[in-house]
Amino acid sequence: EVQLVESGGGLVQPGESLRLSCEASGFTFSSYLMNWVRQAPGKGLVWVSRINSDGSSTSYADSVKGRFTISRDNAKNTLYLQMNSLRAEDTAVYYCARGLGIWWGQGTLVTVSS
Amino acid sequence: DVVMTQSPLSLPVTLGQPASISCRSSQSLVYSDGNTYLNWFQQRPGQSPRRLIYKVSNRDSGVPDRFSGSGSGTDFTLKISRVEAEDVGVYYCMQGTHWPFTFGGGTKVEIK
Repeated sequence: EVQLVESGGGLVQPGESLRLSCEASGFTFSSYLMNWVRQAPGKGLVWVSRINSDGSSTSYADSVKGRFTISRDNAKNTLYLQMNSLRAEDTAVYYCARGLGIWWGQGTLVTVSS
Repeated sequence: DVVMTQSPLSLPVTLGQPASISCRSSQSLVYSDGNTYLNWFQQRPGQSPRRLIYKVSNRDSGVPDRFSGSGSGTDFTLKISRVEAEDVGVYYCMQGTHWPFTFGGGTKVEIK
């Protein structure tokens, strides 16, 4: 059974950093493009970042470019999102998703507030 | 960025009746490989999104056949042939052709 389990969310102050993790199981993690998608409270979905299967290519939404870094450890079946210089508008549930959204995790809530 | 425009925003439907959601993109979603990467997602209250349809009209595994997708180019439609109570939620179209991938604003389906 495919499982994606996010962790690392929490309450941080503006300007601080946080690293999210997404542990994958039930499929060959190293074969798939992976993504982070976020959803602000009561709002729609926004694709944040993607990384190809071997980690050699990454892409970011303009809103996070230069502040967020996506990475993966295929030996650990884990996807990461390093988030620096966090802003109030980054407050959201962050989901990891496989490929073009065939599988999603349960999400982890990031709250940026003073 | 490609803008995805969904209508209606809200869709009250009687149980057993059909429902239709429209999605328009600001530019063609035909990729260089000839595929059109237009997907539909369902998000039930309190749950993660679930993909229903990929590449315009292909149902994902386990998706009831009352859900169907159609369209081409910049104009797409999701249809539910007979709405059931479990179909309540927000539906999003999403394009995976141009980076950044973008979602429509969502259509809330509720039972009358």
